[in-house]
This record gives sequence, structure tokens and C-alpha cells, in this order.
Amino acid sequence: QSALTQPASVSASPGQSITISCTGTSSDVGAYNYVSWYQQHPGKAPKLIISDVSNRPSGVSNRFSGSKSGNAASLTISGLQAEDEADYYCSSYTSRSTPVFGGGTKLTVL
Amino acid sequence: QLQLQESGPGLVKPSETLSLTCTVSGGSISSNHYYWGWIRQPPGKGLEWIASIYYTGSTYYNISLQSRVSISVDRSKNQFSLKMSSVTAADTAVYFCARTIHSGESQTAFDIWGQGTMVTVSS
Repeated sequence: QSALTQPASVSASPGQSITISCTGTSSDVGAYNYVSWYQQHPGKAPKLIISDVSNRPSGVSNRFSGSKSGNAASLTISGLQAEDEADYYCSSYTSRSTPVFGGGTKLTVL
Repeated sequence: QLQLQESGPGLVKPSETLSLTCTVSGGSISSNHYYWGWIRQPPGKGLEWIASIYYTGSTYYNISLQSRVSISVDRSKNQFSLKMSSVTAADTAVYFCARTIHSGESQTAFDIWGQGTMVTVSS
């Protein structure tokens, strides 16, 4: 199962918005509304920030939002803050009945 | 509040078998609402899903690892475990256990994670 495709890095200034893409295929992202996003700070475990394409778990800031179109999903972070600097991973359920992760995107807040 | 804690040796010799256990506290592993999974992350690299298990014993494996991996559950101890045979340096990674939300047989998201345990494969 090939990993989902994410940009290696994105950067923006505080207060701005960014979007991270997650491109899959018709066998994963395009087939199911089971895309999730994770935030990982250095040395820490990943934290679920979006499930089922666009659902925010309790306690996650509404500055985080998710969407999907065709075989691609996106994570948007608005009003960037210094604490948002982290690695972000997408994941999708697949037709193999297994999950797959994206390669990860490093977000730098300038 | 549910917590997961990984345990196992931090150093494994090449060609040997890696064995890790995840202890679930603050909740039951026998809940029909969740799967339980293992994910790893080599140093400086991304996440890779390894395997998942349901409390009934149904298992799912990453096709690229399934010939070397086995996941099991011990409901009496509220634990689930991972065994990976014939390890090489490429298996050096932080290994996380995680609770998995599901919809039917679809694993939809990993909502609670352990802190992770570093496993180094070296002689």
C-alpha cells in the first residue's frame, strides 16, 4: 500500500492561513470519508485533530478544518500561531481494509 | 481517562524477534467500539501503520510486514501485543500503540496514542 502524498513542508507567518494537501487514489481517499489528520510535535505522540474528513474531536481548536474533493483531502489551519509549528500527517482507510498514512508535512511558523 | 502504555526491550539483535506490549488503563480493551493498533516511526521519518486487532481477535496487517508480524490481545490483562520476527536495522523506530475508532469493519482514526517506545535493532 503506497503512502498518501503530502508536501514535505509548508511555511507561513503568524495570523495567516495554510492548507496542507493529502493526495491518494480511488482506493483510499477517493473511496471513503475516513480521512484523518494528526499533529505531532517533536518527541511527542501524534494527536488526532480531524477525523472523518472534517470532524474535530472535542478540545481541538476550530482553527483546524478538513475537507475532501475526489482523491485529495486538505487540512486548513487559520490564524496561525507559533504553537501550530509541528509535523502533520493524514491517514485514510483503504480498500485493503487497512489504514495508510501520508508521508507527513513539516509546518514552519515564520 | 483512558491511557495506553507501551513496554518492551529497547534493544533487539538483528534476526531476532521484537516483542512489545501495550497496557490499556482507564477503560476496557473488550469494548466493541474500538480496534487497537500498532504504528511505528523510524527516526526522522513518517508514520507507518503495522497492525490492528479487535477484542474478538480479528486481525489486520500491513501487507508489507504481514509475513513477519503478529498481533494478539489478552483481555484478562487488558493488553495487546506485537511480535515482529527477523528484525533488521530498518525496523529501528519508535513504536506507538493506539486506540482506533471504527465504523463497522472500517478503521477510521487513531484517537488515543501511547507515548511511544524506542526500539533499536543492533548487535
